[in-house]
Parts: sequence; C-alpha cells; structure tokens
Amino acid sequence: AQTVTQSQPEMSVQEAETVTLSCTYDTSESDYYLFWYKQPPSRQMILVIRQEAYKQQNATENRFSVNFQKAAKSFSLKISDSQLGDAAMYFCAYRSTPLWNQGGKLIFGQGTELSVKP
Amino acid sequence: GAGVSQTPSNKVTEKGKYVELRCDPISGHTALYWYRQSLGQGPEFLIYFQGTGAADDSGLPNDRFFAVRPEGSVSTLKIQRTERGDSAVYLCASSLMHSGMGGEQFFGPGTRLTVL
Repeated sequence: AQTVTQSQPEMSVQEAETVTLSCTYDTSESDYYLFWYKQPPSRQMILVIRQEAYKQQNATENRFSVNFQKAAKSFSLKISDSQLGDAAMYFCAYRSTPLWNQGGKLIFGQGTELSVKP
Repeated sequence: GAGVSQTPSNKVTEKGKYVELRCDPISGHTALYWYRQSLGQGPEFLIYFQGTGAADDSGLPNDRFFAVRPEGSVSTLKIQRTERGDSAVYLCASSLMHSGMGGEQFFGPGTRLTVL
C-alpha cells in the first residue's frame, strides 16, 4: 500500500521569503501522480500543483514549484515570495494512475501548517 | 452551481443517532469521492462512485457507514448509530474521469460532524 509522510507539522516563513515543505512517499508503482493541496480555515481543499511521475521536469505554477526526486521518493514544495494569503495547511497527496487503481483515490500526508509572518 | 457543495456545513448529533450528509458535485462530473478528515490529520478515503455505482468502498470503516448516489449526481453519506469517534470533517470531491487534466478532484467545503 502507498503511504505519504510529511515530517514537518508546522513551518513558518517571513513575508516575501522562500519556504520549502517536505514530503516523502512510498510506492511500488512506476507511474502515478503527486499533488500539493492547500487547505485554508474555510476547509476547502485547493489544488496548488500537480506532478506526473513520468515527467522528469519539475512542475511550476507561478510562485509555487516542486522538487520531484523519483528515485528518492521525495516531493517537496517551494513557495517563493511568500504572501500572507499563503498561510494554510498544506497536504501532499499521491494518486495511482486510473489504469492501476479504481478511480484514483487520493492518499494524503498528515499536513504541514504554514504560517506567514508580516 | 460552480463548485462542489455540501450540506449541512455543520452537524451536531448525539451518540447513537442517525445522520445523513449530502454532496452536490459539479454538474457533469461522473466520479464522486468521500473522504473523512479527523482533527489534525489528512483526509482519508472512504468511498468512490463512478456514475451510480460504488466502484470502491474499501475505505468505509465499518457497516455503520453507507453511501448512495442513485441518479449519478447527488450523493448521501449515511452514518447509523453514530459514535464519538465519528466526529470529523467529511469532505466530498468530484472529477471528470479520463479528462486531459488527469481527473483532477475538486473538493467541497466539507461537513463538520460532531457527535456528543
């Protein structure tokens, strides 16, 4: 069974600075998807960034980028130029490809609470 | 509506009671998922529907939990004989299957269930 581990329960960053959130996972599959989700106090999960395992190039979405190390099974999220609105819980998630899994349920890590100091 | 909606937003019940939680997915999304998020934890998968049928219910913790999606749109998660340990936020998500986006799941705001 696949597992996702986030070893940093809390992180803090100064506004405008850069922060990196860590995530490791365990799987025997060769093709899969990895995600970072943001969950503000409103509870609604918002997709931040997605990475397909077969792609070697790291995904980037504006101020958000990932460092995907497939051999090490590591998937960290870097937030550049941090803003007050980035403060939230961040969850790393794994999903098998649809061919391997019935519908692609997400497996989440425990989360990292990010605070942004003005 | 534009997004996934869930009702009620909050539900307080007494131990032993029956509760129903509703999810309205994004129109046209054939896949629907239920997750449970306990305090301080990441969401855990409960059940997945493709259309009207439950394609994967491996995450349901026991037979007190049941979910339906009779017309392939709205889904109801039903919990019988609630226990204090059922207290959590129940999240619903929907997605287009086999889309070019890899079936991105869009989440609702969740229902916070409190069992006293």
